[in-house]
Amino acid sequence: GAVVSQHPSRVICKSGTSVKIECRSLDFQATTMFWYRQFPKKSLMLMATSNEGSKATYEQGVEKDKFLINHASLTLSTLTVTSAHPEDSSFYICSAGGEGAGFYNEQFFGPGTRLTVL
Amino acid sequence: GNSVTQMEGPVTLSEEAFLTINCTYTATGYPSLFWYVQYPGEGLQLLLKATKADDKGSNKGFEATYRKETTSFHLEKGSVQVSDSAVYFCALSDRGGGFKTIFGAGTRLFVKA
Repeated sequence: GAVVSQHPSRVICKSGTSVKIECRSLDFQATTMFWYRQFPKKSLMLMATSNEGSKATYEQGVEKDKFLINHASLTLSTLTVTSAHPEDSSFYICSAGGEGAGFYNEQFFGPGTRLTVL
Repeated sequence: GNSVTQMEGPVTLSEEAFLTINCTYTATGYPSLFWYVQYPGEGLQLLLKATKADDKGSNKGFEATYRKETTSFHLEKGSVQVSDSAVYFCALSDRGGGFKTIFGAGTRLFVKA
C-alpha cells in the first residue's frame, strides 16, 4: 500500500508552452499533497501544499501564477508549469500521506518528473 | 521554523568501511525523522524512519536512533558496499509543520571497490 504515482516521468517541451504533471495516490485518499522541486545535485525544495477542494498554499518565493496547482479529488493533484522557460527545467516530485490518510507524520513520494524546457 | 542540518559531502569510502552521516534537527513540536536515499537518476526511497524519542530505525544494514536530547538522527552502517553509492537525505515531518517534509541538503556517498 501507500503508492504514489506521477505522470509523465519525463517531458521535453519548447519554451513558452505549458506542461501539466499529475500526482496520484493509488491506494489511499489524500486531502493534502505536496509539490517539491529538485535542482541538479541539490536538495528538495518545497514549492506548495496542495489542498483538496481549496487553493494551494505556496512557499515564499514560488510564483503561484507560474506554477498552477489543482487538487481536484482526494487522489489527484496536478502541477501546471505555465509558459515554461529553460530555467524551469528541473526534477519535480510530489508526495501524499500524513495523519489524515492514516499515516502518522509520514509522506509517500512519487517517482518524480524530469522537465526539460528547450 | 523546522530545519534539518546534515554533514556536507561528498563522502568517499572504501568497500566494507564504517559509515556515519550526521544529522541534527530543529523542530517546535515532536517530529518524525526519516532517512531517504536517492540513486542516480531516480526518485526518493524511504530508507528508515523513527517516530519518537529513542526509537531506532533500521533497514538494509543502515541504522539511526532518534536522540531528542541532542536533536540528532545520525545514519550509520557497519560495512558499506559499492551499491550503497547514492545521495542520502535526512528529513523531518510533524503536525506543527502541517506534515510538510523538510529535507537536509543531502550527502553524496561514493563507495570504492
